[in-house]
Amino acid sequence: GAVVSQHPSWVICKSGTSVKIECRSLDFQATTMFWYRQFPKQSLMLMATSNEGSKATYEQGVEKDKFLINHASLTLSTLTVTSAHPEDSSFYICSAPLPETGLLSSYEQYFGPGTRLTVT
Amino acid sequence: GNSVTQMEGPVTLSEEAFLTINCTYTATGYPSLFWYVQYPGEGLQLLLKATKADDKGSNKGFEATYRKETTSFHLEKGSVQVSDSAVYFCALGKASYDKVIFGPGTSLSVIP
Repeated sequence: GAVVSQHPSWVICKSGTSVKIECRSLDFQATTMFWYRQFPKQSLMLMATSNEGSKATYEQGVEKDKFLINHASLTLSTLTVTSAHPEDSSFYICSAPLPETGLLSSYEQYFGPGTRLTVT
Repeated sequence: GNSVTQMEGPVTLSEEAFLTINCTYTATGYPSLFWYVQYPGEGLQLLLKATKADDKGSNKGFEATYRKETTSFHLEKGSVQVSDSAVYFCALGKASYDKVIFGPGTSLSVIP
């Protein structure tokens, strides 16, 4: 079945460097993808909505210049954490809506396996 | 606005005990409701879903019924196992191509 992949699954970077996380939809096209962040023992918080061919929409309080999102194709969205700092260490998860239409839509999304970022 | 509330736990049960995790939601219209499970160190897995009132979602012995009159979607399992230890998230979806709204999560530990 359709799945969403993320790469890398974990990454360690030094403070001040940038790191890119990829989110890919496999076997289906995703004009919209979502990026969530999860801190330890907390729920998922939406960071931004990634739109193919247009600018991402960021949630209030999320710095767009720090978390750069590029939806380069119908199957790929990337999140780049620029000038990373230890407080950016978190679990980042992307999702893409099921390619459903019409009255039978369940509004379900496929979630990627997540990327654990540690900034030292 | 739209929101999901669930008992936060942590919940600790003995193996074979009955499980209930309460979830209530606030939303206009007709959302779909979901339960996701997250095992330690892993991503989210869809456990079950319901798309309209009175629907019952079920999977792996877990069940939840979409109750519009009480705006609830409580998760139940008759006999939990150690392998059920995880964090459970109640969530809702309002529209295609829109974000999923998550509850705070409930940590479940099942002890032998």
